[in-house]
Formats: sequence, structure tokens, C-alpha cells
Amino acid sequence: ETGVTQTPRHLVMGMTNKKSLKCEQHLGHNAMYWYKQSAKKPLELMFVYNFKEQTENNSVPSRFSPECPNSSHLFLHLHTLQPEDSALYLCASSQDTPGGITHGYTFGSGTRLTVV
Amino acid sequence: AQTVTQSQPEMSVQEAETVTLSCTYDTSENNYYLFWYKQPPSRQMILVIRQEAYKQQNATENRFSVNFQKAAKSFSLKISDSQLGDTAMYFCAFMTANTGNQFYFGTGTSLTVIP
Repeated sequence: ETGVTQTPRHLVMGMTNKKSLKCEQHLGHNAMYWYKQSAKKPLELMFVYNFKEQTENNSVPSRFSPECPNSSHLFLHLHTLQPEDSALYLCASSQDTPGGITHGYTFGSGTRLTVV
Repeated sequence: AQTVTQSQPEMSVQEAETVTLSCTYDTSENNYYLFWYKQPPSRQMILVIRQEAYKQQNATENRFSVNFQKAAKSFSLKISDSQLGDTAMYFCAFMTANTGNQFYFGTGTSLTVIP
């Protein structure tokens, strides 16, 4: 474990279901991220939270809804997803300083989501 | 536009040999940071090595080293004495403070170490 824990590890859901992905970090970082990883495509940044405030939303469909109740927890709420939303969803955290997150991200192991 | 290109979707190397993974990027920024991440079958992305663009000296971490050519916007990763545990997807990435600390990733290179 690197200090970023994601649950569940696997999730299969129907298009009418509602589910949530959870991410927890114990590193004292102040920024958290959701990324979508699809085969043969670069990682796609979905949402960024700095100090619990959402600072990025990269044109993500409203069927994905993030929540960051505190600096250690991040959720991704899912509803009425499409089969093309099937992917690996990665959570990451970093220590955001005025000079930037120059030491990189710490990633979780991801949730493998399959929409049927 | 900020882009990262990894032109080798798959590579293989014999155990104990050396392999080089290529990465090129495009940015108009002058101050940025470059990274190589490893993603084994366990799916956890692990930082392998990082390089500050303002440093001319190439970064090294044990068996891993980079060849950073700023003018050519090239950032290749060399793995020496390859081990079976090096089998993984490798992603090149960079970030600039001027882009809201966003990382830009390549599509990855799948490396297989053959016993």
C-alpha cells in the first residue's frame, strides 16, 4: 500500500444503478484527483480538489459526481452510466505547494468498473 | 497544447539486458517537471523517476536513468539489468505549474521482461 486506498477494487453495475467509488489517503496531502484510464488512451483527468475545493472539472458528464468531505477522503458517485464508461478509475493525491506538485502523485490501485 | 507521445506500445527485453523506452512531449513552457510511472499488473501506479527541466544533469535511480534532451523535447527511460519485476506498463508524464498543476500522460509502453 502506498497510502492511497481505493474501494471497491472491482465493480460491475447496470446502467440504471447508483454506486460510489471511495478513495482515502493517509499521507497528509492537500490535493486529490480522479483519473479515468482506458486502454490505449492517455490518462484522463476528471476532477481535482485542492483543500477540499473543486478546482478542475474537465468537461465530465454529470452522471459522474465527485464529493470531497475532507482532505483525506474523495468519492465519485455514479448514476445512469453508459457502457463506454467502463474503465479503470484511479485516485491520486499530492502535496500542492506554491511551486507546484513537483514530487508527483501518489496513486491508489484503482477501481475496475464494468457497466453492463 | 501540451502533449506526450510514447511511440512504442509494446516492448520486450531479456532478463539482465538493458532497454530504453522513448518519450517525446510538446510544451511552450520553460519550467516543467518530467516523470516516469510504472504500472504493474497490481494496477498501482508507482513513481519511477523524475526530472526537473531546469536541471541539465540526467536523473538516476538505481537501475533506472533518463536521457533528457530539452531542445529535442525528449525524455527516454533506460532500464539496466532488467528484472522480471520490471514487467509493467510505463507511462511518461509531465506537469507545469502554469497549467494548474495538471499532469499530462502518454499512452504507455507495455514492457515484458523475458526470463
